[in-house]
Amino acid sequence: SAVISQKPSRDICQRGTSLTIQCQVDSQVTMMFWYRQQPGQSLTLIATANQGSEATYESGFVIDKFPISRPNLTFSTLTVSNMSPEDSSIYLCSVYGQVRGEQYFGPGTRLTVT
Amino acid sequence: SQQGEEDPQALSIQEGENATMNCSYKTSINNLQWYRQNSGRGLVHLILIRSNEREKHSGRLRVTLDTSKKSSSLLITASRAADTASYFCATDVWGNTGKLIFGQGTTLQVKP
Repeated sequence: SAVISQKPSRDICQRGTSLTIQCQVDSQVTMMFWYRQQPGQSLTLIATANQGSEATYESGFVIDKFPISRPNLTFSTLTVSNMSPEDSSIYLCSVYGQVRGEQYFGPGTRLTVT
Repeated sequence: SQQGEEDPQALSIQEGENATMNCSYKTSINNLQWYRQNSGRGLVHLILIRSNEREKHSGRLRVTLDTSKKSSSLLITASRAADTASYFCATDVWGNTGKLIFGQGTTLQVKP
């Protein structure tokens, strides 16, 4: 399976500020995915990030709020902009593994907005 | 809305007992995957079952898939305290490249 790291692992931020989350993979991957897990909830896909093209956002998520960069095949960032307490969540990136269809997740970034 | 529904929402058993979790979904799928999450941390991939498969095993895990009923089950045999976690099913919906739709999860507590 792919080895995925995320930075930071957790952060506490003030409302109105922005936080950029990094996702690093140990192998080149075409597609990277960003998910959000709100407290006590399941995971919801935010967007799909392909290298060399604009990210594709799911319904309810917009680029102005969650800009994504994908500068190369092993790295991506997700920025949570103009944060409010409702953005307090765990943010996870994922990639496909070697076995067709399997998705593997990073350790997540736990964000608390005060 | 989330495609997957899981039951039970919470399950508490003694060590050594078996735990069964169920997942239902609404549309055609490419595959269904099960994950474990410990205390709000990252997700650990447990097993993937494809739409043309009916049963898969991995160690103490047994997963079944019934596409006619749009349902899957995860059985953990001879449970251990270390199995205490939340378990999620996720469907890779037919025609959607890579997007996983997660169920609400089952919280399993295994008492020593």
